[in-house]
Formats: sequence, C-alpha cells, structure tokens
Amino acid sequence: SQQGEEDPQALSIQEGENATMNCSYKTSINNLQWYRQNSGRGLVHLILIRSNEREKHSGRLRVTLDTSKKSSSLLITASRAADTASYFCATAAYGGSQGNLIFGKGTKLSVKP
Amino acid sequence: NAGVTQTPKFQVLKTGQSMTLQCAQDMNHEYMSWYRQDPGMGLRLIHYSVGAGITDQGEVPNGYNVSRSTTEDFPLRLLSAAPSQTSVYFCASSYGTGETQYFGPGTRLLVL
Repeated sequence: SQQGEEDPQALSIQEGENATMNCSYKTSINNLQWYRQNSGRGLVHLILIRSNEREKHSGRLRVTLDTSKKSSSLLITASRAADTASYFCATAAYGGSQGNLIFGKGTKLSVKP
Repeated sequence: NAGVTQTPKFQVLKTGQSMTLQCAQDMNHEYMSWYRQDPGMGLRLIHYSVGAGITDQGEVPNGYNVSRSTTEDFPLRLLSAAPSQTSVYFCASSYGTGETQYFGPGTRLLVL
C-alpha cells in the first residue's frame, strides 16, 4: 500500500537549474522523509521533516510540508550532474506498526551537463 | 563504522532453492527492516524488527522468514525461491520506528 506518491515520475533539467519534486500522501503522519538513490546503489537519507514543521533546509535542499494539503515538496537549487538520481519520499505515521516507513515510487531526476 | 552491510551482492538461484541474505549493522540500532525493490516501484517492506527477539511482518512477507537473535544481525531467509522473488533486496536500520533509516548496498537476486 503506497502512501506517498511523487510527481513528476521523471524530470530532466540542465545543470544550474532548480529541480522541484512533489509528494502527496493520504493519512496523518508523524514525519516525512526524502531519500536519494543513485543507480544500482542503496538509498541515502536526505532530510526529515516532522508534522509540526513547515520548512527545512540542508545545503542546496529545501523541503516544505503542508499537512492541510497532505503534500511535501523537495527543491534542489543550482543542480549539478551529480544530482542525477531517483528521489523517494517516505512517510511515517503514529504508533506501533503504523510508524513503519512507506515509500513512494520515486522521481527520476536527470541533470544534463 | 561500516554502517549497514549486506551479503551477498548478487545471487542466482533455481526455483525451489533456499538461501539466506545476511544483514548486519554496527550502529547499535534497535530497528531493522528488509525491503524489496522492483523496477518502477518504490520499496516494499517485507519484515521488520524493533529489537532483539522481536520480529513482525510488513506489506509483503509471504515466502520469507526472519529472526533477530542479536541487535547487530537480521538475516532474511527465502524458504523456497520463486521467480516472483527476483528483485533487489535492501536491509536498513534506525534508532527507532519511523526515524531516519540507514540502508545497506543491496542484494540483487535472480530466481530462474
């Protein structure tokens, strides 16, 4: 059962441009996380935003969370070829097994030099 | 710290064979989990553990067994491999349920 759904499924931009990916979810959450996966590798955690937070920054990454719309966005500024990867959002609800992360299908980002 | 390690990196099985995928972490994390990733899909949770001696089923547990005898290790057993289990398997660990997860490099499994 997929909770988070990323949009778009694929995104192609030029180096230096900004990349924005969106994630929508269905039920109340404790936190929402973004992960990056380079081709053939494991996932790497990028940022975690809790339900009482609206915005977080980490380097060139900016994440927003709108709990009223049940959506989040990940902005990568001044993209580089090395940002080429798949990006996944994952949500954690409250309590017991509901706290297990549920991953979306991901956005495939291609940054052309 | 090595983080989360998985072995083997790649395995080919015949239908009906059994095998164990190994996972270990050296971060003293209580929570460990196994996911499978199929083309065009996100990660789906197979089994998870909130501490030594405690395991539970995730979204897609059929055909897989787990055990957690120590905090460090969380092996995944395929009882009788089927072609539908061809996938990439990831192990992950975290301090607690729903917190930041640290992933291993994955095991690519092909069942013929």
